[in-house]
Amino acid sequence: KNEVEQSPQNLTAQEGEFITINCSYSVGISALHWLQQHPGGGIVSLFMLSSGKKKHGRLIATINIQEKHSSLHITASHPRDSAVYICAVTGHYGGSQGNLIFGKGTKLSVKP
Amino acid sequence: DAGVIQSPRHEVTEMGQEVTLRCKPISGHDYLFWYRQTMMRGLELLIYFNNNVPIDDSGMPEDRFSAKMPNASFSTLKIQPSEPRDSAVYFCASTQWEGVSYGYTFGSGTRLTVV
Repeated sequence: KNEVEQSPQNLTAQEGEFITINCSYSVGISALHWLQQHPGGGIVSLFMLSSGKKKHGRLIATINIQEKHSSLHITASHPRDSAVYICAVTGHYGGSQGNLIFGKGTKLSVKP
Repeated sequence: DAGVIQSPRHEVTEMGQEVTLRCKPISGHDYLFWYRQTMMRGLELLIYFNNNVPIDDSGMPEDRFSAKMPNASFSTLKIQPSEPRDSAVYFCASTQWEGVSYGYTFGSGTRLTVV
């Protein structure tokens, strides 16, 4: 079983729809990260969370530490949001401190 | 800061040749990571450094791969000899860590094709 699981793997939405991507993890973490990767592009860090909720523009990220679960929401989705969204965690266990453990990613396609 | 800088952006080489990928982290960041991304396996850690010292190289596939960080502003990942299965996108990332990360910055990646 992967330490970081994302769902769904693929998601197609119509422009304007509200989108939710989920991430569950099984290890102790110091922080959870949401990353974005456009086709053929680099990786951009969207959020780093250790508790609660963060908002940036139309993107909202939440985390529930007790349930080991995080969600990334996109409001009023737009075709330019089409990308792969990757959940990653950083542990605080010795020897691997600082390293990112990645989910497999969610490929989002927003149709006009 | 210009961010994490990787070079080259694209590399096409013949099997058996030596390949060197380069990375300049963000100034002041004390952790540097090398990741490999493939369609089949997603993002995988190859090696990471803390204050220029390799901490975990368990992800390095085999002896053909080696990485160095001679100073705080430069790291290399070398593959010798290269094989077609090494074809992937290689990302470098850096962060500053003081009990918790201040956020990770990724380079644009090097797309390696070994023919």
